[in-house]
Amino acid sequence: GQSLEQPSEVTAVEGAIVQINCTYQTSGFYGLSWYQQHDGGAPTFLSYNALDGLEETGRFSSFLSRSDSYGYLLLQELQMKDSASYFCAVRGTDSWGKLQFGAGTQVVVTP
Amino acid sequence: DTGVSQDPRHKITKRGQNVTFRCDPISEHNRLYWYRQTLGQGPEFLTYFQNEAQLEKSRLLSDRFSAERPKGSFSTLEIQRTEQGDSAMYLCASSPPVSGGANEQFFGPGTRLTVL
Repeated sequence: GQSLEQPSEVTAVEGAIVQINCTYQTSGFYGLSWYQQHDGGAPTFLSYNALDGLEETGRFSSFLSRSDSYGYLLLQELQMKDSASYFCAVRGTDSWGKLQFGAGTQVVVTP
Repeated sequence: DTGVSQDPRHKITKRGQNVTFRCDPISEHNRLYWYRQTLGQGPEFLTYFQNEAQLEKSRLLSDRFSAERPKGSFSTLEIQRTEQGDSAMYLCASSPPVSGGANEQFFGPGTRLTVL
């Protein structure tokens, strides 16, 4: 099975940079995904790391280190609309389609 | 609208009643997933379909839960003899028939179930 840990909440001001860490325990997985969910909304895919290293998509970047069982999501130039919950997720090699999600990190952006 | 749709968006029922939810995936997606989410938690996997075949089902899912995808298009999730602990948001997701497609899942708006 898999388990993922991430901080419960992060607060930052507009324009700042926020890093959301995700540590995981798994016997084998294909890669690490990140999803964003606004209050009352559906989870939305942000990024996926199959290999070690940094993936950049606009203001958001995601990083994976399989040797350290660790990844992070980096949010740059924070905007008020980035206030949301962010979830890391893995799909185990023993699974067809199951994504195992962390409990989520609530990002609060203040003016 | 080409996204995943779910119906109803909200359902209030009394304990012991049966409820059924519907999910319509993105049209070209052959993979369909059901998740459950409670407040302050991440989505919890329930089941997975590839076309009409149910390939994976959570061991945590009791026998009161059943899902179908008879023609490989829309899916239904039924909960029999609902309990208060079933109150949650039920999310449906789909993904395309490409290698690694299961790693990027497109979620619908969910059905919020309240069991009184």
